[in-house]
Amino acid sequence: QSALTQPASVSGSPGQSITISCTGTSGDVGGYNYVSWYQQHPGKAPKLLIYDVSNRPSGFSNRFSGSKSGNTASLTISGLQAEDEADYYCSSYTSSFSYVFGTGTKVTVL
Amino acid sequence: QVQLVQSGAEVKKPGASVKVSCKASGNTFTNFAMYWVRQAPGQRLEWMGWLNAANANTKYSQRFQGRVSITRDTSASTAYMELSSLRSEDTAVYYCASSDWGSYFFDIWGQGTRVTVSS
Repeated sequence: QSALTQPASVSGSPGQSITISCTGTSGDVGGYNYVSWYQQHPGKAPKLLIYDVSNRPSGFSNRFSGSKSGNTASLTISGLQAEDEADYYCSSYTSSFSYVFGTGTKVTVL
Repeated sequence: QVQLVQSGAEVKKPGASVKVSCKASGNTFTNFAMYWVRQAPGQRLEWMGWLNAANANTKYSQRFQGRVSITRDTSASTAYMELSSLRSEDTAVYYCASSDWGSYFFDIWGQGTRVTVSS
């Protein structure tokens, strides 16, 4: 199972919006509405941001939103803040009853 | 509030095995799906496998098939991941994660266990 494809890095200024893409195949992203996104700060465990393409866990900021079109899912961070600087990973359930992660995106706040 | 607490760091020689534990609290253990994910230094997250805590059914990534075993002890609310035939490329932080069975995401994460494979 090949990793989902994400851009290696995305940057933006405070207050701006950025979007991270996550491209897979019809056997994973395109075939199921089971895409999730995770934020990981250096040296820390990942944290769930978005599940089932566009749902936010309770208590999590509404500046983070998710969507999907075909084989590509997207995470948008609006009103970029310094604390959003982290690595971001997408994940998808797959047709082989397994999971696959994306290649990861480093977000830099300029 | 569900919490996952993992066992401490390990140093192993090539060819050895390692067994990492993950103790859950805050909810009924048998309602969980338990997952194992690893992250080599500077690398991406890599899914290793899942376990249905109710019936111990498992599914492993093909990449680790034959080398990994995920088990559980319901009386201790603990899941275990054992990786055998270790090589230097297995040096990584190993995370457990959980969600309610029937969910398709990694809801709660453990703090991670660093495994170093070195001669």
